[in-house]
Amino acid sequence: AQKVTQAQTEISVVEKEDVTLDCVYETRDTTYYLFWYKQPPSGELVFLIRRNSFDEQNEISGRYSWNFQKSTSSFNFTITASQVVDSAVYFCALSEFGQGAQKLVFGQGTRLTINP
Amino acid sequence: NAGVMQNPRHLVRRRGQEARLRCSPMKGHSHVYWYRQLPEEGLKFMVYLQKENIIDESGMPKERFSAEFPKEGPSILRIQQVVRGDSAAYFCASSAGTALFEQYFGPGTRLTVT
Repeated sequence: AQKVTQAQTEISVVEKEDVTLDCVYETRDTTYYLFWYKQPPSGELVFLIRRNSFDEQNEISGRYSWNFQKSTSSFNFTITASQVVDSAVYFCALSEFGQGAQKLVFGQGTRLTINP
Repeated sequence: NAGVMQNPRHLVRRRGQEARLRCSPMKGHSHVYWYRQLPEEGLKFMVYLQKENIIDESGMPKERFSAEFPKEGPSILRIQQVVRGDSAAYFCASSAGTALFEQYFGPGTRLTVT
C-alpha cells in the first residue's frame, strides 16, 4: 500500500533562514503523482505543486523549490529566505489509483514555525 | 469560476446528534472525494463519489457514516449519532474526471462534538 512519511514533526527557524521539509514515499505504481500542500492557521488547504512520476526535473517557484529523486523515493521541499508568513503545516501527498479514482495519501505533516 | 464550497464551515453537535456536511463541487465537476483530518494528523481518504453513485467507500467507517451525491444539489456527508471521536476537519475535493484529473479542495468543515 502507498505510504508517505514526513519524519520532521516540527521545525522552527529564524526568519530569512533556508529550510527543507523532507518527504519519503512508498508505492508500487509506476505512474503516480506527488503533491505538496500548505495548511495555514486558518485551516484551508493551499495547493503548492503536483509532480508526475516521469518528470524528475527539479522545480523552482519564487522562494520555493522541490527536489524529486526517484532513486531514493523522496520529494523534498525547500523554502529559501523564509518569512513569517510561511508558518504553517505542510503536507506531502501521493496519489493512489484504483476503481477509477485518484485517492491522495497524505503524510502526517510538518509544522513549520518561522520566528521573526 | 467559483471554487469548491463547503458548508457549514464550523459545526457543533452534541453527542448523539446528526451532522450533515455539504460540498458543492466546482462548476463542471462531477467527481467528489471526502477526506477527514483528525487533530494533529494528515488527511485520510473516506469516500469517492460520482453523480448518483458511490464508487469507492473503502475509507468510510462501517457504521454511522454515509455519503451521497445526488443528480441535483451538493454532495452530503452524513454522520449519525456523533461521538467525540468524530471531531475533525472534513474536506471535500472535486475533479472533472477520473484518475488523472486534478483535485481541488474546499475550505473544510470543522466538526466539534461536545
